[in-house]
Amino acid sequence: DTGVSQDPRHKITKRGQNVTFRCDPISEHNRLYWYRQTLGQGPEFLTYFQNEAQLEKSRLLSDRFSAERPKGSFSTLEIQRTEQGDSAMYLCASSPQGASNSPLHFGNGTRLTVT
Amino acid sequence: AQTVTQSQPEMSVQEAETVTLSCTYDTSESDYYLFWYKQPPSRQMILVIRQEAYKQQNATENRFSVNFQKAAKSFSLKISDSQLGDAAMYFCAYITQGGSEKLVFGKGTKLTVNP
Repeated sequence: DTGVSQDPRHKITKRGQNVTFRCDPISEHNRLYWYRQTLGQGPEFLTYFQNEAQLEKSRLLSDRFSAERPKGSFSTLEIQRTEQGDSAMYLCASSPQGASNSPLHFGNGTRLTVT
Repeated sequence: AQTVTQSQPEMSVQEAETVTLSCTYDTSESDYYLFWYKQPPSRQMILVIRQEAYKQQNATENRFSVNFQKAAKSFSLKISDSQLGDAAMYFCAYITQGGSEKLVFGKGTKLTVNP
């Protein structure tokens, strides 16, 4: 169990650029989650995958955001045409069962700064 | 919509003493789960304790225990014999049963442990 890995740890980008983040979950976990955490706030749910299927999306996930999980392994989160309001910590988590039945295992997050 | 409120942005405790962190939530559901997650500085968020709403007995995990008051929609965390390693952000979270995989988090309480 090597834990949930996220890459990169930090990303600084200029407004209008596209960015992509990667998450590698714990290998036997079939459920994967993306959350966003801004300063002074708790994590906010963005989206959820069971294997390769994206089963739930938050209204926070605007058209500029897209997430994929090809082959049910790693996941990517892409933000197009970044805005300053996108600056946040993006957290990935995985779980072997649903979030109500087993703890979410979080990664260290990717901190995005949009200038 | 479900909401989780943590009214104490910051708390402090002396090492070896006991501290209680408060959490209230709002829901119309009858079946749900409540959690306390801990986020140490620059480290991954981890689950501290979990409570099923249908269980009247309060959950305990070593030095951590909860006071779950379903009618009052209150879910406080008690940390006994506080240790320096307990210093962290603590987030209260809620999820409904058998539906959405969305964990709803509070804004968090920053706990400082003084030696």
